[in-house]
Amino acid sequence: DVVMTQSPPSLAVTLGQPASISCTSSQSLVHTDGYTYVNWFHQRPGQSPRRLIYKVSKRDSGVPDRFSGSGSGTNFTLRITRVEAEDVGFYYCMQGSHWPPWTFGQGTRVEF
Amino acid sequence: QVQLAQSGGGVVQPGGSLTLSCAASGFTFKNYAIHWVRQAPGKGLEWVAIISYDEAIKYYSDDVKGRFTISKDNSKNTVYLQMNSLRADDTGVYYCVRDWAPGGYDFLSWFDFWGQGTLVTVSS
Repeated sequence: DVVMTQSPPSLAVTLGQPASISCTSSQSLVHTDGYTYVNWFHQRPGQSPRRLIYKVSKRDSGVPDRFSGSGSGTNFTLRITRVEAEDVGFYYCMQGSHWPPWTFGQGTRVEF
Repeated sequence: QVQLAQSGGGVVQPGGSLTLSCAASGFTFKNYAIHWVRQAPGKGLEWVAIISYDEAIKYYSDDVKGRFTISKDNSKNTVYLQMNSLRADDTGVYYCVRDWAPGGYDFLSWFDFWGQGTLVTVSS
């Protein structure tokens, strides 16, 4: 199974400042079709996760452009250019290249 | 709009059974695969199972294999998760999640729409 390792586990942020979360996989996430299937999700307490990024860097409709995803192979990053109050919560990376199983990172708690 | 409405959670004793439901609307349900993902209290996300658009393909995590059964009724736009031999560590919020495989069974790992979640508590 592919292990997804997220860091840091917790991130103290400042309004208007940048933030980034890393995710490392135990093996390359390049699929046989040539694409890399890494998703990023945001979850607020008591809510369902919401997908922000798919295929490493494609932003979902309605997701602010301050969010961006990057990476390749085994190393991936979610960046927020200027943190806003609504960005607090938990962030999870997930790999969908080598399944089953689909696997998630342990999560990163973002707080002020 | 796409909606996944969940029901069926509750409190059950260890060794007991429970069935979760996930009713879909706002998209052509029969063309899509559905996952179940769970989250233990205060913990992260854990994939549980997937069913293909036509029920031909079903995969389970090692932890639930042999105890849980996923099924899909395209006439009712509903996916089910039958959970047997429940254990305390099955406690958590269970989410149904949409996926798609354009060729049928090569899932694209979309996870784009999630149900509201339903709480399962296994306790004596």
